[in-house]
Amino acid sequence: EDQVTQSPEALRLQEGESSSLNCSYTVSGLRGLFWYRQDPGKGPEFLFTLYSAGEEKEKERLKATLTKKESFLHITAPKPEDSATYLCAVQAGPGTASKLTFGTGTRLQVTL
Amino acid sequence: SAVISQKPSRDICQRGTSLTIQCQVDSQVTMMFWYRQQPGQSLTLIATANQGSEATYESGFVIDKFPISRPNLTFSTLTVSNMSPEDSSIYLCSVVKVVGEKLFFGSGTQLSVL
Repeated sequence: EDQVTQSPEALRLQEGESSSLNCSYTVSGLRGLFWYRQDPGKGPEFLFTLYSAGEEKEKERLKATLTKKESFLHITAPKPEDSATYLCAVQAGPGTASKLTFGTGTRLQVTL
Repeated sequence: SAVISQKPSRDICQRGTSLTIQCQVDSQVTMMFWYRQQPGQSLTLIATANQGSEATYESGFVIDKFPISRPNLTFSTLTVSNMSPEDSSIYLCSVVKVVGEKLFFGSGTQLSVL
């Protein structure tokens, strides 16, 4: 059974204090790893897809990396508007189409 | 991208009643899914909504409890039947435009059952 574990559960940063969120996974045949951002009362918003170990993607202050066992979401010099829950999900195995298995997320709070 | 309208955005229901949630997409999509997000837990896939045929349910979810319709390529409904307080959750519609690519999500339906 596919498993996704995110850590930490919650993270509080001061504005400008860089950090990383972790997503470790156990799957049979990874097809893609996805990062989403979710604000309170809203659905998840797509950030990145990573397909193979060594791949990196960047968007503004966010950078996602992937190894064979885990992914990191690096946040550089965060701002209060980066406060949200960050979700990691994996798509794996043959015949699974686009079904994703999600982690429980990391709640990020960025303060002034 | 895909713009997804989900209604209602929230509801408070009595035990034993049913609620139907609607999901409308602004363009044709290949796949539609229904997820549940319970407090403090990850998103859990309920079922894949298949156009013109019965939905494909994940382990632990059954058609009698969560009947799903998908009459065309842009619309689907999820009904939560005979509700109990344990059904209190956020229900999310999601779609894929190209198989194997990213999911887009609706804003969700916050359901509270008293």
